[in-house]
Amino acid sequence: RKEVEQDPGPFNVPEGATVAFNCTYSNSASQSFFWYRQDCRKEPKLLMSVYSSGNEDGRFTAQLNRASQYISLLIRDSKLSDSATYLCAVNMYDQGNLIFGKGTKLSVKP
Amino acid sequence: GAGVSQTPSNKVTEKGKYVELRCDPISGHTALYWYRQSLGQGPEFLIYFQGTGAADDSGLPNDRFFAVRPEGSVSTLKIQRTERGDSAVYLCASSLIPGIQETQYFGPGTRLLVL
Repeated sequence: RKEVEQDPGPFNVPEGATVAFNCTYSNSASQSFFWYRQDCRKEPKLLMSVYSSGNEDGRFTAQLNRASQYISLLIRDSKLSDSATYLCAVNMYDQGNLIFGKGTKLSVKP
Repeated sequence: GAGVSQTPSNKVTEKGKYVELRCDPISGHTALYWYRQSLGQGPEFLIYFQGTGAADDSGLPNDRFFAVRPEGSVSTLKIQRTERGDSAVYLCASSLIPGIQETQYFGPGTRLLVL
């Protein structure tokens, strides 16, 4: 089983739609959780850190469920500019490196 | 301010050749990471530096891969006897300090193609 798994894509949604991505992690020692956004042929950029209490940034909401070992990202009122690949990343207590999922591609259509 | 920079942006080489990839982290960042990303995959960890020393090199796939950071700033990833399977985007990231809550900022990557 992969350490970090994400919903297979692509997700094709119309503008204005709400879309949710899930990510599961296998190691219960995972301590920190992140969502990165990656545009085609560009580097990953941090979208949100994910905290135990959940957190929101404008149209984006991230949730963490430690008991079930998954994190989620909700995007409301999708914009064309949200089209990208969304990468889930975790790291463990004693490790500096991030472990990434494969990413989920989102295409928002007019 | 300047972000993480990587050179070259693209590198084409022949199987069996030696390549060096350079990463210049954000000024003042003590932690530096190398990742490799193949098509359709997420970035895969290679090696992580705290200052000048490699804190974790468990992701290096074999002994053809080596990285240095002699002065605690710029890092070079070195690949000997390149193979076609080494073709990927090599990403460098840095963070202000090591730590699981610290944001890692990525550079634009070096696209390596081994023919």
